[in-house]
Amino acid sequence: ETGVTQTPRHLVMGMTNKKSLKCEQHLGHNAMYWYKQSAKKPLELMFVYSLEERVENNSVPSRFSPECPNSSHLFLHLHTLQPEDSALYLCASSQEYRTRNRDDSPLHFGNGTRLTVT
Amino acid sequence: QQQVKQSPQSLIVQKGGISIINCAYENTAFDYFPWYQQFPGKGPALLIAIRPDVSEKKEGRFTISFNKSAKQFSLHIMDSQPGDSATYFCAARNPRPLYNFNKFYFGSGTKLNVKP
Repeated sequence: ETGVTQTPRHLVMGMTNKKSLKCEQHLGHNAMYWYKQSAKKPLELMFVYSLEERVENNSVPSRFSPECPNSSHLFLHLHTLQPEDSALYLCASSQEYRTRNRDDSPLHFGNGTRLTVT
Repeated sequence: QQQVKQSPQSLIVQKGGISIINCAYENTAFDYFPWYQQFPGKGPALLIAIRPDVSEKKEGRFTISFNKSAKQFSLHIMDSQPGDSATYFCAARNPRPLYNFNKFYFGSGTKLNVKP
């Protein structure tokens, strides 16, 4: 399997539930990202892991908790979410330009998890 | 404050016509400008990208025009086809070598509908 794979594709959860989103990249990249995509809004960067170290946390509420056990896997743990957290959550990966030509470092996205909080 | 402003929000074009989507930015530190294409139920996929030292880049029917002095760039889709119907996002990269990752800022997207 190639590219960036996200599971589950759809998730419906109540406000008191705990769930996790999973992302796996098969591209040999060394950076992974979580983005939130809401209708008619720019993609919002949530977290970045580079070389398995969290290097960005964009003022995301603590009810979202990321985990990156290795360079190929990324999780987003969810608990006590709010209805306004309903959105498409996208995982992405890239190869960082300290190790490759910078022009070869676009983001590669998965197909996302459509999250609905009821 | 939105770092990259994109217009129009939606666009309807007849088959065979030219689709034009515009983006503007303020931060002169941005060094790489990709366009992404997103179909329903899919994640964004890289379509074409340009560096600011180039004024135009063409790949097939897709062309990026870049105006560094105006801090604007645009995507042109020639001979638009119904299969091009998708949402298009422009983006800009702020290089952050000390942090070892790409910081991308995205426009809010343009939903393109190409009529048969």
